Amino acid sequence: DGGITQSPKYLFRKEGQNVTLSCEQNLNHDAMYWYRQDPGQGLRLIYYSQIVNDFQKGDIAEGYSVSREKKESFPLTVTSAQKNPTAFYLCASSITGANVLTFGAGSRLTVL
Amino acid sequence: AQRVTQPEKLLSVFKGAPVELKCNYSYSGSPELFWYVQYSRQRLQLLLRHISRESIKGFTADLNKGETSFHLKKPFAQEEDSAMYYCALSGSGNTGKLIFGQGTTLQVKP
Repeated sequence: DGGITQSPKYLFRKEGQNVTLSCEQNLNHDAMYWYRQDPGQGLRLIYYSQIVNDFQKGDIAEGYSVSREKKESFPLTVTSAQKNPTAFYLCASSITGANVLTFGAGSRLTVL
Repeated sequence: AQRVTQPEKLLSVFKGAPVELKCNYSYSGSPELFWYVQYSRQRLQLLLRHISRESIKGFTADLNKGETSFHLKKPFAQEEDSAMYYCALSGSGNTGKLIFGQGTTLQVKP
């Protein structure tokens, strides 16, 4: 069953803690993306990677970090430096050169 | 600056009524425009893209470069069309970087 798997689905974090969201895909897509979804603001790009061992900042990268050590995996770390981390996070992937994204089910992070 | 604007947060219509979800964009080059849809408890998924010029689930969208718009239309709304709709833009370079609008919730009442 091909697709994108995000985990955990729900995550609670105390202020000051870093947390890592997992994103795994078995679609053999080269490109992967992290978006943040907030009510009334749509989706905003955090980071994207078009190839293994390379990634670029999106529009709201401050307070976040990523790695791309494997083609299948693109984890996102929400650091304590992120001022307003409570949000719904969406991971996506695509074939390089294509602008059609396949999305995961999302991870909802709540900071207590 | 690249920007996508969806002026309506919520659009509520009765079943069988025509639907038009508005999308305006700002981009200096030749953009590629998309509509993505998120049904309740489902993943965000592509509905249609302007270069395909196809009708999906009865929806169509025409790119109007003069008005910088890409409105989504359906002549007769169905209850199963109720969902969140996002307009998105991709600039030059096929990087896969999409700029999304704020989203419009379509509510089709019986």
